[in-house]
Amino acid sequence: GAVVSQHPSRVICKSGTSVKIECRSLDFQATTMFWYRQFPKQSLMLMATSNEGSKATYEQGVEKDKFLINHASLTLSTLTVTSAHPEDSSFYICSATSGGTLSEQYFGPGTRLTVT
Amino acid sequence: KQEVTQIPAALSVPEGENLVLNCSFTDSAIYNLQWFRQDPGKGLTSLLLIQSSQREQTSGRLNASLDKSSGRSTLYIAASQPGDSATYLCAVREYTGGGNKLTFGTGTQLKVEL
Repeated sequence: GAVVSQHPSRVICKSGTSVKIECRSLDFQATTMFWYRQFPKQSLMLMATSNEGSKATYEQGVEKDKFLINHASLTLSTLTVTSAHPEDSSFYICSATSGGTLSEQYFGPGTRLTVT
Repeated sequence: KQEVTQIPAALSVPEGENLVLNCSFTDSAIYNLQWFRQDPGKGLTSLLLIQSSQREQTSGRLNASLDKSSGRSTLYIAASQPGDSATYLCAVREYTGGGNKLTFGTGTQLKVEL
């Protein structure tokens, strides 16, 4: 149980275009979802936290107009990178929790974004 | 601001050796600490979760300890195998007012050689 999927696993896009990444909880209802970014050889950095039906809370330094997060249902959250640039190339990982604030997070397999 | 540091950054050991990975955190007001494994280009696999009230957790060849007051945790791997080669991340969970937040360490890249 507690499986989180991401789609696509890899995406290459041209500079200036937008790309959407989906995160789904397959066997549980995710009240809260988290989006992380990981640059090569670095650790995961939290970008934003989203609760179903509410606006996402972004971490300091993360542009909310550039990284659009939608958590419209209890099983799906999307991250849209708008007007992507090569510096946005990274590994994006989502995670989800089903219960209260201290519930364990379950992580997706990640999406490798390359902007050319 | 919570900072999580892992030492060493990289480690190479021969198969069969026992090893210890270290994790330290600056703010001891945590709810729990979790160890993860990450294979290249992949997501995270949870290994062990230690609640703040616990001192250690064990799963198979893995043993994790937590000394909350000193801001330290260790992950002990017994009888290492080539399949253990991966990056190991520790993360601490804190309450941030609006919910909970995981802060990740810098990772230890482990290579177990035949």
